[in-house]
Amino acid sequence: EAQVTQNPRYLITVTGKKLTVTCSQNMNHEYMSWYRQDPGLGLRQIYYSMNVEVTDKGDVPEGYKVSRKEKRNFPLILESPSPNQTSLYFCASSLKPPGGVSYNSPLHFGNGTRLTVT
Amino acid sequence: QQQVKQSPQSLIVQKGGISIINCAYENTAFDYFPWYQQFPGKGPALLIAIRPDVSEKKEGRFTISFNKSAKQFSLHIMDSQPGDSATYFCAASSGSRLTFGEGTQLTVNP
Repeated sequence: EAQVTQNPRYLITVTGKKLTVTCSQNMNHEYMSWYRQDPGLGLRQIYYSMNVEVTDKGDVPEGYKVSRKEKRNFPLILESPSPNQTSLYFCASSLKPPGGVSYNSPLHFGNGTRLTVT
Repeated sequence: QQQVKQSPQSLIVQKGGISIINCAYENTAFDYFPWYQQFPGKGPALLIAIRPDVSEKKEGRFTISFNKSAKQFSLHIMDSQPGDSATYFCAASSGSRLTFGEGTQLTVNP
C-alpha cells in the first residue's frame, strides 16, 4: 500500500530533551516536507526537500533540523524542544514539487504526530 | 504573515445545502491552487485543484471558482452530506512550496 508513515503517533517529552520524529514513504517520491498544524493557523511548512541531500527552510524552521540521506526517509529533529513546539506535525511527500509544471503531483500526508513538550 | 487567508473558520450547513469556503491570496506568483480535506485523526488529502488560467473546475459535487483579478478562490460543495464534515484547507503554490490557509471546520447536520 502506498503510504507515508510517521512515528511515533503521540509523544510527550520535557523541555530540552532531544527527539526525532521519523517519516518514511514507499512511493519513490522526490519531494518531502514537514508541516505543523496549530488551531487558527492552519498548516505551516517547517522544512522541505527536493531530493536526496537537498533541503530548504519553510516558513517556520526555527528550532528544527532535517536530513535527507535516503530518498524514502525524512526525519524531523528537535534538538532542544520547547513548549511552543507543542503541536500536531505532518510529514508529506509528492512525486514532484507541488507547484509549477507539476500540477498533477498531489501531496500525500502521513497521519500525524502529536507532540507535547512540558 | 499569512499569505493565504481563509474564511470562515467554521461553518454549519444542513444536509442538502451548499457549503462555501473562501480564500484570498497576496502573492501573484502563485500558480497552483489546491483544496485539501482532513478528517479527524488523519492527514489532509487532496480534494480538487485549479490552475490560474481556468475560472472554474468541477468534480462531482465539488467546484472551485477562481477570480484572478481579485486574487480570490472558493470551494463550493453542492448537496452537502454529513460525510463531508471535515476540515478544509485551501492552499497556493509557486514552484517548490505549498502555503496553506487557516482551515475551515465544516459540519453538515443530518
